[in-house]
Amino acid sequence: DTGVSQNPRHKITKRGQNVTFRCDPISEHNRLYWYRQTLGQGPEFLTYFQNEAQLEKSRLLSDRFSAERPKGSFSTLEIQRTEQGDSAMYLCASSGQGWPYEQYFGPGTRLTVT
Amino acid sequence: DQQVKQNSPSLSVQEGRISILNCDYTNSMFDYFLWYKKYPAEGPTFLISISSIKDKNEDGRFTVFLNKSAKHLSLHIVPSQPGDSAVYFCAASSQGGKLIFGQGTELSVKP
Repeated sequence: DTGVSQNPRHKITKRGQNVTFRCDPISEHNRLYWYRQTLGQGPEFLTYFQNEAQLEKSRLLSDRFSAERPKGSFSTLEIQRTEQGDSAMYLCASSGQGWPYEQYFGPGTRLTVT
Repeated sequence: DQQVKQNSPSLSVQEGRISILNCDYTNSMFDYFLWYKKYPAEGPTFLISISSIKDKNEDGRFTVFLNKSAKHLSLHIVPSQPGDSAVYFCAASSQGGKLIFGQGTELSVKP
C-alpha cells in the first residue's frame, strides 16, 4: 500500500501533556500538508512542507504547535501543553510539486484532550 | 472570512436520481478546485478536480462544473447510489498550495 499513513490513529491525553503525531506521505510526493478538522467543519490548513522546508504556517498554528520534516520524507506534528480546544482530527496530505495539484489524505489522528 | 462556502449542510436524493452539490467561492486567485468525499473516522478521499481554464470535467458518474463569473462550482453525481452517501467537501487552491475547504454537505442516497 503506497497511500499516506498516519500514526497513531487515536490519542487520548490529559490537558497539559505533550503529544506527537507522525505522517508518512506517498513516497514520490515532495509536498506534505497538515490540516485540522473539528466536528461539522471542513479541514483547516495548518502548515506545509516542500521537501524539508516549511513553506507556510497558518495563524492557527500557535507557539505550542511545531512541525518538522527533517529528511524530506516523514513528518511529525507536536503539540505541547495540550488544551481541550486541541481536540480534533489531525489530517496529513501529500502531493507532487507540479501539476496535477491533487492532495491525497491519510486516515487522520483523532486527538481527545481530557 | 469563509472563502469557500457550501450553503447546504445536507441533501437527500433517491437512488438512481441526480445529486447536485454546490459550492461558492470568493477569492479570484483560486485556480484549481477539487471535490473530496469523506466517511466518518476516515480521511477525505479525492474524487474529481477542475482547473480554472476549464468549465467542465467528467469522470464516470461524477461531473464538476465551474462558472468563474459567478464564482460557483457544482458536483453532479448521476446516477446516485446508496454507496455515495457521505460528506462531500469542495476545496480550492491557488498555484497548487494549501487547500481551502468548504464546510461540507452530507449526502444521503436512499434506496
